Amino acid sequence: SQTIHQWPATLVQPVGSPLSLECTVEGTSNPNLYWYRQAAGRGLQLLFYSVGIGQISSEVPQNLSASRPQDRQFILSSKKLLLSDSGFYLCAWSARAGTTDTQYFGPGTRLTVL
Amino acid sequence: AQSVTQLDSQVPVFEEAPVELRCNYSSSVSVYLFWYVQYPNQGLQLLLKYLSGSTLVKGINGFEAEFNKSQTSFHLRKPSVHISDTAEYFCAVSPAYSGAGSYQLTFGKGTKLSVIP
Repeated sequence: SQTIHQWPATLVQPVGSPLSLECTVEGTSNPNLYWYRQAAGRGLQLLFYSVGIGQISSEVPQNLSASRPQDRQFILSSKKLLLSDSGFYLCAWSARAGTTDTQYFGPGTRLTVL
Repeated sequence: AQSVTQLDSQVPVFEEAPVELRCNYSSSVSVYLFWYVQYPNQGLQLLLKYLSGSTLVKGINGFEAEFNKSQTSFHLRKPSVHISDTAEYFCAVSPAYSGAGSYQLTFGKGTKLSVIP
């Protein structure tokens, strides 16, 4: 069966510091991968998605970037965090083949920027 | 483009009572529909999904949802809730084709279900 991991689970960072969140998927090959941010009262916002190694699509202009160095690894980064980057970050995967786009989510990373 | 409206941000209900969480969507193309549940400080878990076929979809934990194309709705129901159902529920929609943009899953803002003992 497929498993998705995220780390760290919780992170407290000062404004202006760098960020690196990691997501890995096990038990599947060539997945589509996604990064979402969930801010209080605002639902889920899609930040990035990737259909393959080195292929990243950005959904909103922001202070963040994403990379996919390996097939089942997805990294969310920032060079300098802003207060507004605080939130709950969720990684998700879906199977690339087939006709459905069911997305399966990881446990999330709670980021607090102070 | 698609949009999702969850009509209630919070729904309190007594234990063992029935509940309905409402979801309406807007789309110019055919869609797939999903309900996810999120427990505090956890990721989203898929409850059920509608892809095609029967409009009544059964999911985990005793939940079901009915797709109504004419009313563009996908309401979630459970005949008898438990304390453990206290969580936030998200309705989501994606285009039902595999062309560009098919990766897009659009979420509603969520409904917080509180089950009162």
